[in-house]
Amino acid sequence: GAGVSQSPSNKVTEKGKDVELRCDPISGHTALYWYRQSLGQGLEFLIYFQGNSAPDKSGLPSDRFSAERTGGSVSTLTIQRTQQEDSAVYLCASSLVQGYSYEQYFGPGTRLTVT
Amino acid sequence: AQRVTQPEKLLSVFKGAPVELKCNYSYSGSPELFWYVQYSRQRLQLLLRHISRESIKGFTADLNKGETSFHLKKPFAQEEDSAMYYCARTFSGGYNKLIFGAGTRLAVHP
Repeated sequence: GAGVSQSPSNKVTEKGKDVELRCDPISGHTALYWYRQSLGQGLEFLIYFQGNSAPDKSGLPSDRFSAERTGGSVSTLTIQRTQQEDSAVYLCASSLVQGYSYEQYFGPGTRLTVT
Repeated sequence: AQRVTQPEKLLSVFKGAPVELKCNYSYSGSPELFWYVQYSRQRLQLLLRHISRESIKGFTADLNKGETSFHLKKPFAQEEDSAMYYCARTFSGGYNKLIFGAGTRLAVHP
């Protein structure tokens, strides 16, 4: 079946512009996660959705970052007034939370470059 | 704080040598532990999980609760094992999320 998809795969934007990154999880997966992977860094957790609600936004680095999920499916991560330090690969993952199964399935990522 | 520590950023070995990628986790509850792998130009994928007690691609990992460790081992490294490896644990606190370590890059030389 189809895996997690993300779009766009690459995004180059000018400093100060807003960007929207999209994640389409695996059908039926109730949990959705956003991570950021900066050059030479590990995975930085941003936000977690269970259904349409976001019980954990603790990883969002500033109020310029926001995310929503509608219909328990597609999620959009929005970065307003982008800064150069926002340049990174943004990863989305989804999981079917069932019993003790927490395996996360990752998308290919969106590489964001802020010039 | 709940955390996962991977002390080595880079592990460089020759083909056929044994490999051990270290992972230590903070003790909190009874977490489930995972190893994820990211090969060059591929997406991050699950390698193995402690609850399954399985061996994948020759890799094994044993959970040591006394030492709070979950080291990844392989007796004979292959060049195709070169990748980025991330250790992760479940978050104890009611949320179904994973906490990842910073990752270790394994480079296997011919």
